[in-house]
Amino acid sequence: GAVVSQHPSRVICKSGTSVKIECRSLDFQATTMFWYRQFPKQSLMLMATSNEGSKATYEQGVEKDKFLINHASLTLSTLTVTSAHPEDSSFYICSARDSRGARNEQFFGPGTRLTVL
Amino acid sequence: LAKTTQPISMDSYEGQEVNITCSHNNIATNDYITWYQQFPSQGPRFIIQGYKTKVTNEVASLFIPADRKSSTLSLPRVSLSDTAVYYCLVGYPSNSGYALNFGKGTSLLVT
Repeated sequence: GAVVSQHPSRVICKSGTSVKIECRSLDFQATTMFWYRQFPKQSLMLMATSNEGSKATYEQGVEKDKFLINHASLTLSTLTVTSAHPEDSSFYICSARDSRGARNEQFFGPGTRLTVL
Repeated sequence: LAKTTQPISMDSYEGQEVNITCSHNNIATNDYITWYQQFPSQGPRFIIQGYKTKVTNEVASLFIPADRKSSTLSLPRVSLSDTAVYYCLVGYPSNSGYALNFGKGTSLLVT
């Protein structure tokens, strides 16, 4: 099946710094990717929809100036957490849909564990 | 996006068949039903997807009654490695992809 990778898998940073997370579709092109956030023992919450070549669409309550999304190519979307604070510590997961298949399934990355000290 | 309701948790023993039922009373005509599995600190993994009646693949079966207001994921002969959270999602897969609305999921413990 299609593979989605994320980098880094784990990052620890100081409060006030910015962190960039990469999401790549390795063997397919994805015009749309999605970014989710998951707090411990909770479900995934959609943050934003990343569209190649255009602005991302953010869910209500998600600050677009804090969570910068860039989808510069058909295989790469990046999420930058700017001026990170301890409350931003979470598990960030991206997904992409492989439109080639008939199942229309979404493939998820392995996630990035962000810890802000 | 249609709301889904699943049991919060289920327990089972190795070798048993596990059935997890999901309610989605407000499912739209074009919506598909998709199940994902998630292990701790990993991204969700696609299990199965269906629109109506029964779908079976190498890992699970999905039963959908005629009114499509619910669905049942069936895992045959579970093992310890099937301990995970299972999410039922309902949505319409458009050409650009559709955002998935994850509910609380069902935490399955196999012992």
